[in-house]
Amino acid sequence: NAGVTQTPKFRVLKTGQSMTLLCAQDMNHEYMYWYRQDPGMGLRLIHYSVGEGTTAKGEVPDGYNVSRLKKQNFLLGLESAAPSQTSVYFCASSSNRGNSPLHFGNGTRLTVT
Amino acid sequence: TQLLEQSPQFLSIQEGENLTVYCNSSSVFSSLQWYRQEPGEGPVLLVTVVTGGEVKKLKRLTFQFGDARKDSSLHITAAQPGDTGLYLCAGVHGNKLVFGAGTILRVKS
Repeated sequence: NAGVTQTPKFRVLKTGQSMTLLCAQDMNHEYMYWYRQDPGMGLRLIHYSVGEGTTAKGEVPDGYNVSRLKKQNFLLGLESAAPSQTSVYFCASSSNRGNSPLHFGNGTRLTVT
Repeated sequence: TQLLEQSPQFLSIQEGENLTVYCNSSSVFSSLQWYRQEPGEGPVLLVTVVTGGEVKKLKRLTFQFGDARKDSSLHITAAQPGDTGLYLCAGVHGNKLVFGAGTILRVKS
């Protein structure tokens, strides 16, 4: 039971570099999300998707882009990394947006120097 | 300011003690979820409460949703080291899920 898998687990970038975080889920969930977690601030929604081919902005979308080309995959891109993007990133999925629980991956710890 | 305020932010107790964690808001939520997160892992759902005044029990954990659906509490009886972790509440407000900042619980043996 893989659930939600994120790669990589750790990454260090220099300011201005780009990278893509990968998220895959095997539960056939329609909804997928990208959150960032920072101390004292909880989980903040970056972008989300309500189905294959769709994406939408969350609470803190600036500096990030996403794509959902396949239902099982949700990619988060940083085009030009900044130190303010140092964080732990979590991908999650759910069957719908109401009361359905979120299933989270184990996170990607990103450091931008 | 956060829509959901959790308190305390940090709690360190001895094994066997009881504790209560609070999740408060001035807004009404259609439901509220509690998650536990262990170091290096993602949050895992513990429970969802939907009805005002609802009480749910999960072994030594008791969850309550306020009558007005603006607040919730998590009570742990006889805490154990395995209860150590970050406890997050998340409320459904409109069509959005909003997270509190969390309570870090450390249970010492």
